[in-house]
Amino acid sequence: ELKVEQNPLFLSMQEGKNYTIYCNYSTTSDRLYWYRQDPGKSLESLFVLLSNGAVKQEGRLMASLDTKARLSTLHITAAVHDLSATYFCAVVPNTGNQFYFGTGTSLTVIP
Amino acid sequence: EAQVTQNPRYLITVTGKKLTVTCSQNMNHEYMSWYRQDPGLGLRQIYYSMNVEVTDKGDVPEGYKVSRKEKRNFPLILESPSPNQTSLYFCASSSYIYNEQFFGPGTRLTVL
Repeated sequence: ELKVEQNPLFLSMQEGKNYTIYCNYSTTSDRLYWYRQDPGKSLESLFVLLSNGAVKQEGRLMASLDTKARLSTLHITAAVHDLSATYFCAVVPNTGNQFYFGTGTSLTVIP
Repeated sequence: EAQVTQNPRYLITVTGKKLTVTCSQNMNHEYMSWYRQDPGLGLRQIYYSMNVEVTDKGDVPEGYKVSRKEKRNFPLILESPSPNQTSLYFCASSSYIYNEQFFGPGTRLTVL
């Protein structure tokens, strides 16, 4: 059974601090996606990572992919309240076309 | 405006009464997909379509049907809904499977 595990599941952090969300997966894949979901809203695409060593940055968020370790990270720099949301990673195995999502990391940034 | 639309947004129905949730995109995307979101389980893919007339099962296809007769539309059909299909449903599309997905606003379904 393919697993996509995110850690932590819940994260409360102070404004201005840095933190990392981890996404581990159990299949061979070099296709990894990060999404954001605000409460009561739909999902918004943040990053698409399609190769080993891929790194992408947008504002205070930076995502990376290590396909050998089957690990992606979402790093938050100098958190601000607007980053409060639930973050999901998703994987597409190299052998298929199906998306597998993690259970999400609920992030709360407090003043 | 480029978007994915779903209808209805909210639906309360009874067990066994057939229903269809529509999904339409105006971006000429090839890949379309349906997900359900349940607390503590993240999103699970129900069905996906690589292109017109090409559909395939996702992780949780039981109790659902789909069709892709036109590129822009990808309806989700529940022929005999049951209470365990109560969930939040999202449709999504992308120009190609490996590109970013655009999600619809969601359909909250309650089956009594």
